[in-house]
Order: sequence, then C-alpha cells, then structure tokens
Amino acid sequence: KQEVTQIPAALSVPEGENLVLNCSFTDSAIYNLQWFRQDPGKGLTSLLLIQSSQREQTSGRLNASLDKSSGRSTLYIAASQPGDSATYLCAVRLNAGNMLTFGGGTRLMVKP
Amino acid sequence: DAGVIQSPRHEVTEMGQEVTLRCKPISGHDYLFWYRQTMMRGLELLIYFNNNVPIDDSGMPEDRFSAKMPNASFSTLKIQPSEPRDSAVYFCASSPAQGRGSPLHFGNGTRLTVT
Repeated sequence: KQEVTQIPAALSVPEGENLVLNCSFTDSAIYNLQWFRQDPGKGLTSLLLIQSSQREQTSGRLNASLDKSSGRSTLYIAASQPGDSATYLCAVRLNAGNMLTFGGGTRLMVKP
Repeated sequence: DAGVIQSPRHEVTEMGQEVTLRCKPISGHDYLFWYRQTMMRGLELLIYFNNNVPIDDSGMPEDRFSAKMPNASFSTLKIQPSEPRDSAVYFCASSPAQGRGSPLHFGNGTRLTVT
C-alpha cells in the first residue's frame, strides 16, 4: 500500500527566506506526483504536476523536483511571502488506477 | 469557468439523520472524485466516477455511504443514517478525460458536523 509522508508537519519562516518542503512515498511505481496548496476553509489548489518521466517542474517562485528511485519529491519556494502561508500537500498517483494518495501536509507560516 | 461547486458549505445535523452532499463538476470533465478530510486521517478517497460510472468505491467506509452520478453535471454523496464519526470536510474534485495525467480541481468542500 502506498504511503506518503510529508516533513515537517509545520514550518514557520520569516518573509524573504527560501524554503524546501519534503514529500516521500513508499512505492516508486508512480504515474505522477502533484503538489497542492490548501488555504483555511478552502479546497485544494493544484500548484504543480510532475509526470513520472520528468525530474522537475517550475511555476513562478515554485520549483518541484521528483526522484522516483529514492521515493522523494521536494517543493522549493523562493523568496517566501506572507501570502504563501497555507498548508501544502503532495499526492501521488500510481500506475494502476486513478487514485491519488495524499500526504498529511506541511502547514507553512511566513511571518512579515 | 466557475470551478467545482459544492453545496451546502456547512451542514449540521443530528445523529441518525440523512445527509446529502452535492457536487457540480467543471463542465467537460469526465472524472469526478469524492474525498473526505479529517485531522486524524487526512484526505481519503471515497469513490470516483468516470463518465458517470462508479469505477472504484473501495474507500467508501460502510453501507451507510452511497454516491450517485445521474448525469455529467451532478453528483451526490449520501449518508444514511449519519453518525458523529462522519463529521469531516467532504471534497468533490474533477479532472478532464486524460484523468491520470491531468491535475485535479477541487471544490471548496462541505463541512459536516453530526451531533
């Protein structure tokens, strides 16, 4: 059974810092990996999707990398801003089926 | 595009009552997913549909839960009878025909409280 773990569970940084969020998964036979952002009381917003054949994806200040062999992905946020404060979740989709397995999320707070 | 629309946003009900949650996916999306989110268990997939047909309902906790998708623009998740342990945020999500290769789009969820 695929298990997805995110460390740390919570992170507080001052504005302007570069930071890295980690995601690990137990079954490397994934189809793709997706990073989401969730604001309090809201649904999830897709940030980046990395196919299994890709190593990284970039969108603005966000960069996500994928290392299938080691079962890891990282989300890099450059020059963090208070508006980046949210919970960030990663989710993996297996080769079989259409099911996404989510990590527990990292709750990020960026202080002005 | 209005995005995935869920109703109601909040539902408070007493144990034993029937609860119906509603979802309107993004037009043109062929896949629809129901997820449940709790502090203890995080996000769990309950069931998903492809072209209105249920594909995998292995995440549905028990027979008290049922989901339908009568047409491409509407789905319901019903709990009957409801129990306090069903209290959670229920999310609906949809994705285009490329399903596995496309990002999921989530609604804002329904926060269910069963007293």
